[in-house]
Amino acid sequence: KAGVTQTPRYLIKTRGQQVTLSCSPISGHRSVSWYQQTPGQGLQFLFEYFSETQRNKGNFPGRFSGRQFSNSRSEMNVSTLELGDSALYLCASSLDAARGKNIQYFGAGTRLSVL
Amino acid sequence: TQLLEQSPQFLSIQEGENLTVYCNSSSVFSSLQWYRQEPGEGPVLLVTVVTGGEVKKLKRLTFQFGDARKDSSLHITAAQPGDTGLYLCAGDRGFQKLVFGTGTRLLVSP
Repeated sequence: KAGVTQTPRYLIKTRGQQVTLSCSPISGHRSVSWYQQTPGQGLQFLFEYFSETQRNKGNFPGRFSGRQFSNSRSEMNVSTLELGDSALYLCASSLDAARGKNIQYFGAGTRLSVL
Repeated sequence: TQLLEQSPQFLSIQEGENLTVYCNSSSVFSSLQWYRQEPGEGPVLLVTVVTGGEVKKLKRLTFQFGDARKDSSLHITAAQPGDTGLYLCAGDRGFQKLVFGTGTRLLVSP
């Protein structure tokens, strides 16, 4: 069974641009979560999608958005990029993020550098 | 606000030594997970503990969940260079998102 696939692996953008990151979950997994990882803040939750609906959202500005397609693949978009958005963006999938059964499998991440 | 504090933040030891990593919170979690992340990769799940007081062993790694389900520890016996990595605890409060700890970066030298 293939793991979680994130594309692209590396991305360089300039301030003010926008970016779209893609995540293909493990086959059969319907829940996809996104996290931002930085040296200073660690791993922080962005949002979670299940069956094309955003079920939960972290404390990030509206510039960060996402969506999920009918095949469970997910994309996240960051508009008007800022230097502070430079980070490793991780996607994780699970069968269902139900209470006590939230076992998530992570992709290798997309490293975004904003210049 | 960081809900899960890990200590120590950094640990550099020699092969064969033992070590313990702590994960503490004032919040109760329905379960707690431990991950290891290596450079250039995403976190990989090591174990999930669910019941207060639960102890799980994974070869040389021993995980314990506190009785009150607010804290956890990871003990590694006879560490090896292959144990090098970033160790992350993550608490599940049942609201469909994981809260990750601050992380412990472990370096095991031969």
